Amino acid sequence: QKEVEQDPGPLSVPEGAIVSLNCTYSNSAFQYFMWYRQYSRKGPELLMYTYSSGNKEDGRFTAQVDKSSKYISLFIRDSQPSDSATYLCPHRGSYIPTFGRGTSLIVHP
Amino acid sequence: DVKVTQSSRYLVKRTGEKVFLECVQDMDHENMFWYRQDPGLGLRLIYFSYDVKMKEKGDIPEGYSVSREKKERFSLILESASTNQTSMYLCASSRQVSYNEQFFGPGTRLTVL
Repeated sequence: QKEVEQDPGPLSVPEGAIVSLNCTYSNSAFQYFMWYRQYSRKGPELLMYTYSSGNKEDGRFTAQVDKSSKYISLFIRDSQPSDSATYLCPHRGSYIPTFGRGTSLIVHP
Repeated sequence: DVKVTQSSRYLVKRTGEKVFLECVQDMDHENMFWYRQDPGLGLRLIYFSYDVKMKEKGDIPEGYSVSREKKERFSLILESASTNQTSMYLCASSRQVSYNEQFFGPGTRLTVL
């Protein structure tokens, strides 16, 4: 059974839209939740992380964790073409991170 | 500025060749990782190392080996390259703490003909 499930998209939205990206996980022991962003032809970079449940906000980005339903979300407000990338939610409950396929986001002008 | 570098951005090899992919980090990180990334399959862990000369198999180690003789350097070796090893290879490093952000290199696009 896969530990991480993420809709691969692509998700295409107009500039200025609110974007919601989601991941579900199966291991209730996971504590740290991160979002990575990967631009085309580059390595992934950490975008945000949260510990346990709750919300964390950073500019236009909000990360949300719902441990009861094992669901994590990344919200992007006022999306920009520069947000076009693949978003990955690895799981940090284990020592060795597991990655899903990521969600491809396209923000068109 | 933290940095993970990989020896080549693009590499073309022939079937049966021995291939070395090199990764160097300048952050004194204990952990280093090798992933491959394929469309529709995402990032898959090949091997990781938590210390010099220590290694652990990841999800897809078959056909690969690794070497870590120095803390800053982690090499991925394809003993006899095959066409199904054509892929993007990504190296990463992290500290050995609970919240261990991974830093990735730019990737090596390997084509095996």
